Formats: sequence, structure tokens, C-alpha cells
Amino acid sequence: EPEVTQTPSHQVTQMGQEVILRCVPISNHLYFYWYRQILGQKVEFLVSFYNNEISEKSEIFDDQFSVERPDGSNFTLKIRSTKLEDSAMYFCASSEAEAGGTYEQYFGPGTRLTVT
Amino acid sequence: QQQVKQSPQSLIVQKGGISIINCAYENTAFDYFPWYQQFPGKGPALLIAIRPDVSEKKEGRFTISFNKSAKQFSLHIMDSQPGDSATYFCAAGSFRGKSNTGKLIFGQGTTLQVKP
Repeated sequence: EPEVTQTPSHQVTQMGQEVILRCVPISNHLYFYWYRQILGQKVEFLVSFYNNEISEKSEIFDDQFSVERPDGSNFTLKIRSTKLEDSAMYFCASSEAEAGGTYEQYFGPGTRLTVT
Repeated sequence: QQQVKQSPQSLIVQKGGISIINCAYENTAFDYFPWYQQFPGKGPALLIAIRPDVSEKKEGRFTISFNKSAKQFSLHIMDSQPGDSATYFCAAGSFRGKSNTGKLIFGQGTTLQVKP
């Protein structure tokens, strides 16, 4: 069964450092998302990506964040200068969501980002 | 208006009992309502979803009831099992119109414990 994969599973970084979180969405999906979940809290939307551009972003997704689909399979989230409050689980999700398709979003296993 | 309110925060049910989790939303533009199951350290797994054109959807032991006029929906887990012990999140999203990207707004989550 196709699934969303994410690497690394755990990333530890120092405050101010840049991190890149990687995702491989399900191959025939067209919409890609990043969400984050601070420990014990709800899942929060960060950004959606469609047709090689950002389609929507949340207030959390400020200038320190960027996303990229560098090739036909990978989808990355970059945090330029990490802060302590960026410590969270980051989930990538993808959806087929074409007209007549399904809305279902499938989530990856997540990357735990720890900023020290 | 983008919020999804979920209750209860935690739930303890005996094995074989019925678990009921409720969610309410404000934004009438939402047209997709999924439920996710999350185990500790894992990503949210899509459990079941409903569109507002039906009032109920059943898949195995899981049923979504949807009340469009009250803007409420609920998850019923019949014959609850210890393996169902997890955190459950309701969510809402929309793909209607060019400005809607399918982002999901999540509820706060319900921690379910099923006692043997």
C-alpha cells in the first residue's frame, strides 16, 4: 500500500541552525502539506503546495520557513534559523484531490525536531 | 470561524462498550470531515471520513454521524477494544472554490483508553 515517507525520523539541532525536513509523498498525489504538532497538542496546518507553488500558508509559516519540490518525488520543508519554539513533530501529508478524486489526506510518520 | 471544537478531552471505556467523540465547527464552507487515529510517536492515520451530503457513514466498527444543521459530527466506535486505545482527532477541510486548498483544521484530540 502506498505511503508517505519522511526523513529523518528525529533531528536535533542548535538554535539558529538551518534544518531541512524531507518527505516523499504518494506518487500520484497532487496536493502536498506540512503540519506540525507540539507535544501533547493538536495538529496545526503550516502550508499547502500545489502545481509547484504554495497555495496557502498559515500565520506560523513565516519568512523562516520555505518549501520546495526539487524533483518529481521529494517535498522539503526548510527552517532557516531554528528557534526553541520550533521544537515539534512535523508531518508531511499528501492528497490526490483532483476533480472527481478523493480529498483524503495521508500523513507520514513525522520528523521529531528538537531545537536546543 | 476556522476552529473545530472536540470533546471530551479524554475518555475511558470498558472493552465491548461504545466510545463516542463529538466535534463542532463554525465555517459552513467546510465540506470534508475526516477522523484520524494517532498512536504515540506515530503520524495521524486516516480512519474514516464523511462529506456533508450524507448523515451517516459506517466502516466496520467505526461510524460517523453528521448533523449539517447543527454543524456537528461525531465518531462512534462500537465494541471498543483495548487496541483502539489511542488519540483521536476530528478535522474539517474544504476544496470548494479556487481559494480552498484542502488544508485540514484539527480538533484538540481525544485520548481514548479502553479497559480490558
